Amino acid sequence: QVQVVQSGAEVKKPGASVKVSCKTSGYSFTANAVHWLRQAPGQGLEWMGWINGVDGYTKYSQNFRGRVTFTSDTSASTAYMELSSLGSEDTAVYYCAKGHNFVLDYWGQGTLVTVSS
Amino acid sequence: QSALTQPASVSGSPGQSITISCTGTSSDIGNYNLVSWYQHHPGKAPKFIIYEFTKRPSGVSNRFSGSKSGTTASLTISGVQAEDEADYYCCSYAGSDIWVFGGGTKLTVL
Repeated sequence: QVQVVQSGAEVKKPGASVKVSCKTSGYSFTANAVHWLRQAPGQGLEWMGWINGVDGYTKYSQNFRGRVTFTSDTSASTAYMELSSLGSEDTAVYYCAKGHNFVLDYWGQGTLVTVSS
Repeated sequence: QSALTQPASVSGSPGQSITISCTGTSSDIGNYNLVSWYQHHPGKAPKFIIYEFTKRPSGVSNRFSGSKSGTTASLTISGVQAEDEADYYCCSYAGSDIWVFGGGTKLTVL
């Protein structure tokens, strides 16, 4: 069955970077996409962008362009999201989700990133 | 890339029907038949319940249905149950490999 498992919680200082992993199994990683979203405390889901499993093509939301980088390791069926220049406003739960036919059909459990001095 | 507009909250008693609206523009909802809806119980992974405006994936209760009118999509839950209490998000493809989400609607079952 399809599984999407994210790395554990992180605590970072302002100005630092964080890298979250998203390990998938149970489907063809290279035939699908991985989307990244986040949910700040008390807020809704915010779409950050996606990476294509077949060729590593990426598309970023303009809200994060320049600060976020998506990568993948196809041999490990794993996607990564790195966010730099962290500020307190980046404290959020970050989600990855499998994208297929314009739907985010399987989601990870979320990774809490806390930015605090 | 403006977020889609959803009401912040809706409520209903068990057995009632509720509808959540999702308003976009001619660049997203109005231009693509690619709206999906997600149910999110806090602390859990979101689950997709509707795609392409009206279609239900296997395993999703037929109490959930979707519709579209112009630049507005709607999610209706018939016969609301306590287990339906959750946050609901709409999402639309907006062209140029961009997706946009709504701000979310909290459903309270009274």
